[in-house]
Amino acid sequence: AAGVIQSPRHLIKEKRETATLKCYPIPRHDTVYWYQQGPGQDPQFLISFYEKMQSDKGSIPDRFSAQQFSDYHSELNMSSLELGDSALYFCASTLAVTDTQYFGPGTRLTVL
Amino acid sequence: QKEVEQDPGPLSVPEGAIVSLNCTYSNSAFQYFMWYRQYSRKGPELLMYTYSSGNKEDGRFTAQVDKSSKYISLFIRDSQPSDSATYLCAMRGGSYIPTFGRGTSLIVHP
Repeated sequence: AAGVIQSPRHLIKEKRETATLKCYPIPRHDTVYWYQQGPGQDPQFLISFYEKMQSDKGSIPDRFSAQQFSDYHSELNMSSLELGDSALYFCASTLAVTDTQYFGPGTRLTVL
Repeated sequence: QKEVEQDPGPLSVPEGAIVSLNCTYSNSAFQYFMWYRQYSRKGPELLMYTYSSGNKEDGRFTAQVDKSSKYISLFIRDSQPSDSATYLCAMRGGSYIPTFGRGTSLIVHP
């Protein structure tokens, strides 16, 4: 069965650079969630989209922005990167009528 | 204090043992309870999903919820080395955004 796809899987950036993370949900899923997971930490919810509209907002810094496109894929844009942004970034998708979140493999971002 | 507390472990058990993983929480609005398994460098995978109090069994896994004590458990019977992973509890109320525990690292040694 098709799963959530995230790209890139690994990304290395320097401080103050920008990064773009991509998420391709499971086919027919219309809701996407973004999470940040630091080492040994629980996933922290950042933001979610339903039918291309922002549906919920969590602890997403103002330096970050995200959107969902007409094909339901989503991109997380991160600017002015800081060392503390180094983490695993997960995307999860659902059908809006259910709440079983299916997670992607994550993007490991390292900021040097 | 975090809304969801989970002992990070590691919890090391021999193959075949019964494993008990637990979380406590403080938000009485939580009604939906989930357990995720996360292998190293992979995304969390949903194992169990329960609503309100009670037990739910799926193969070797049993999830228990005690809302009166704000305590949930995941039991793994006949544990296998392939069960070695981090187990995250998660829970939510009316919002679809779950609150996660920090995860317990489980090591099942042959």
